[in-house]
Amino acid sequence: SQTIHQWPATLVQPVGSPLSLECTVEGTSNPNLYWYRQAAGRGLQLLFYSVGIGQISSEVPQNLSASRPQDRQFILSSKKLLLSDSGFYLCAWSGDSMMLFFGSGTQLSVL
Amino acid sequence: DQQVKQNSPSLSVQEGRISILNCDYTNSMFDYFLWYKKYPAEGPTFLISISSIKDKNEDGRFTVFLNKSAKHLSLHIVPSQPGDSAVYFCAASEHGNNRLAFGKGNQVVVIP
Repeated sequence: SQTIHQWPATLVQPVGSPLSLECTVEGTSNPNLYWYRQAAGRGLQLLFYSVGIGQISSEVPQNLSASRPQDRQFILSSKKLLLSDSGFYLCAWSGDSMMLFFGSGTQLSVL
Repeated sequence: DQQVKQNSPSLSVQEGRISILNCDYTNSMFDYFLWYKKYPAEGPTFLISISSIKDKNEDGRFTVFLNKSAKHLSLHIVPSQPGDSAVYFCAASEHGNNRLAFGKGNQVVVIP
């Protein structure tokens, strides 16, 4: 069966520090991969999605970037965090259908 | 531009009664709709979906209704249970598009 791992679960970072969140999927090949963010009091905002290694689409201009170095690995990064980057970050994958399967999320607090 | 809208951000309902969550969309190209359930500090989990070729889909206590002409769908939970207390997200996609558009979510509180 397919599983998705996302870490860390919580992260507290100072403004201006770098960020790296990692997500891996097991039990499937060539998944579509996604990074979402849920800011306080907001819905789920799609940040990036990828249909294959090295293929990244950005949905909104922002201080973040994403990379897919391997088929089942998706990384969310920032060189310098802003206060507005605080939120709950979710990695997700999908196969042929449009059903998304989410990871457990990372609560990022930028102070 | 919010293509999927969930108004009435919170709902309180007595255990055993019906919970009704509403969702409106603006993109007439959407042809697949999903509801997700989310507990605090966890990722959303899939609940139920419906294709645009149907107007109703039922799975146990959960039923989703789709009104394409009104660009409206709703989720009914009957009977509501305390474990249903969560945030519910409505999502939609169009054929050939790998992305889901989500609403802002509805907080449901089921009172024992």
